[in-house]
Amino acid sequence: GAGVSQSPSNKVTEKGKDVELRCDPISGHTALYWYRQSLGQGLEFLIYFQGNSAPDKSGLPSDRFSAERTGGSVSTLTIQRTQQEDSAVYLCASSPDAIAGGWPKNIQYFGAGTRLSVL
Amino acid sequence: GEDVEQSLFLSVREGDSSVINCTYTDSSSTYLYWYKQEPGAGLQLLTYIFSNMDMKQDQRLTVLLNKKDKHLSLRIADTQTGDSAIYFCAAGFNKFYFGSGTKLNVKP
Repeated sequence: GAGVSQSPSNKVTEKGKDVELRCDPISGHTALYWYRQSLGQGLEFLIYFQGNSAPDKSGLPSDRFSAERTGGSVSTLTIQRTQQEDSAVYLCASSPDAIAGGWPKNIQYFGAGTRLSVL
Repeated sequence: GEDVEQSLFLSVREGDSSVINCTYTDSSSTYLYWYKQEPGAGLQLLTYIFSNMDMKQDQRLTVLLNKKDKHLSLRIADTQTGDSAIYFCAAGFNKFYFGSGTKLNVKP
């Protein structure tokens, strides 16, 4: 597809279970970001991948959260032993890191998000 | 890190102008952005302004930047019911810092 794709769109899980959220960035985009949006809140930065560089993990809230990006494309955000406070919408974005069409190279394009509900 | 703040709600009548305000703390932010989020959807980029600009106009949208006061605003002319959404300002370069969003309600 032409945009950032996230799956699943909705995920309901029980407290203590592990979940995996997937993000397919726009083809050719070298940078990928994960954010968390809690109900009525702004976006909280989680992690940032740029090419082959070590990811910026400074926003991950605890060691239960991890993310990887395979082959410089698809990314998976994993939350282990989920807690109720993990319930939120998890948004993924990608950017080309290259000037295109006059837009800044770091413009972020967002997917529709995965709504995670931990019961 | 950056601290970005917005008012939470704005209500206007259809046809009026809307002005959504944002303040930020990091004067080194190179770009400042406005995103729109409709219910159940991701964020859609509306416009951006480079930090060395004071104003940018794009059809019904006007962005004003006051670097001295670290204040950013988005003006929507002739606001329509389809403009009802949450508007986020964001600052930063690679790592974006987002405000909490302003919910715009447009009354017919």
